[in-house]
Amino acid sequence: DAGVIQSPRHEVTEMGQEVTLRCKPISGHDYLFWYRQTMMRGLELLIYFNNNVPIDDSGMPEDRFSAKMPNASFSTLKIQPSEPRDSAVYFCASNDRVRGANVLTFGAGSRLTVL
Amino acid sequence: AQSVAQPEDQVNVAEGNPLTVKCTYSVSGNPYLFWYVQYPNRGLQFLLKYITGDNLVKGSYGFEAEFNKSQTSFHLKKPSALVSDSALYFCAVRDMEGGNKLVFGAGTILRVKS
Repeated sequence: DAGVIQSPRHEVTEMGQEVTLRCKPISGHDYLFWYRQTMMRGLELLIYFNNNVPIDDSGMPEDRFSAKMPNASFSTLKIQPSEPRDSAVYFCASNDRVRGANVLTFGAGSRLTVL
Repeated sequence: AQSVAQPEDQVNVAEGNPLTVKCTYSVSGNPYLFWYVQYPNRGLQFLLKYITGDNLVKGSYGFEAEFNKSQTSFHLKKPSALVSDSALYFCAVRDMEGGNKLVFGAGTILRVKS
């Protein structure tokens, strides 16, 4: 398996623009997580899905953020409109809770810079 | 709510010396505890976990960690550090009652000097 695939790896955009980050989890994994990493706040869990259904979105900062998982092999995190304080590295991770013994596999991350 | 504390922002150690990266946790039930490592411009990689059983857990790259319930700690250790161990290390906890959510500590930078 190629692991968790995230795109784009780097995104530079201007304030007010829409940003869409994409994630392909490992095949067979039933959980998908979106984390955000910043120097100030460390690693924050934004939202996670189980079998494509959002389970906990309490970490989503505000209404400008939304996440979807239309099928088992694809998820998006959208920011609209983007702001400079959204600049961070966004990680997607997936997990097979039964066979994977709670171990998350992370993607390489999407580094977002909002000017 | 579960939480993890990593009291040291950075740990410096000489190559060949033993290393310890500290972690304490707080959960309402029995914890699942994890260590992950992050190299520059990379995602996090799993090192080891404690679920149940022996308090001393062995993981990847010669790392081990000791679960201490009375001190609510899960320190990461290695008998002999390598320069290539230099990275950012995260402790994480999953609360048995908190669904499948993993909460990470702030991270500790490990610098191993030759």
